[in-house]
Amino acid sequence: EVQLLESGGGLAQPGGSLRLSCAASGFTFSSYAMSWVRQAPGKGLEWVSDIVDSGGSTYYADSVKGRFTISRDNSKNTLYLQMNSLRAEDTAVFYCGKCGSAGCQGIEYWGQGTLVTVSS
Amino acid sequence: QSALTQPASVSGSPGQSITISCTGTSSDVGGYNYVSWYQQHPGKAPKLMIYDVSNRPSGVSNRFSGSKSGNTASLTISGLQAEDEADYYCRSYTSSSTWVFGGGTKLTVL
Repeated sequence: EVQLLESGGGLAQPGGSLRLSCAASGFTFSSYAMSWVRQAPGKGLEWVSDIVDSGGSTYYADSVKGRFTISRDNSKNTLYLQMNSLRAEDTAVFYCGKCGSAGCQGIEYWGQGTLVTVSS
Repeated sequence: QSALTQPASVSGSPGQSITISCTGTSSDVGGYNYVSWYQQHPGKAPKLMIYDVSNRPSGVSNRFSGSKSGNTASLTISGLQAEDEADYYCRSYTSSSTWVFGGGTKLTVL
């Protein structure tokens, strides 16, 4: 059974940093691209970032480019999102997702999400 | 990248069919066959319902179908059931090598 467990969310000050983790199990982690998607309270879904299976290529939404860094440790079956220079508008539930065998055309499995609140 | 355009809400009675539209541009929906649809119940994580415009993942009911014409993709749910009441989001690949979601549609089963 595929399981994705996010952690690392919490309260951060504007300008601060947080690192989210997503522990994966139930599949061969190193064979799949992974994704982060966020949802601000009461709002819709927003794609944040993707990383290919090897970690060799990464992609970002314009809203986070230069501030967030996606990475993965295939030896630990873990996906990360380093978030720097946080803003109030980054407040959201962050979901990690497992992409399909052909890529991130569809996010097949989702974690339960971790809440990030940016406030002074 | 602007969000794809979806109706804010749609409704239907049990047993009926409904269609949710998702309108983009030639730089996203119209340019690629990489449209997916997600169902989200309140307080829950999204669930993939359709990928690559019209493909259903294993385990998703065949009451759900997807299509595309030009810059508009559509999700059709036939034989509406109470459990289908949820928010639905479309997503498309873009010419900037990014992904963009629609604003979401709230489906009410009357």
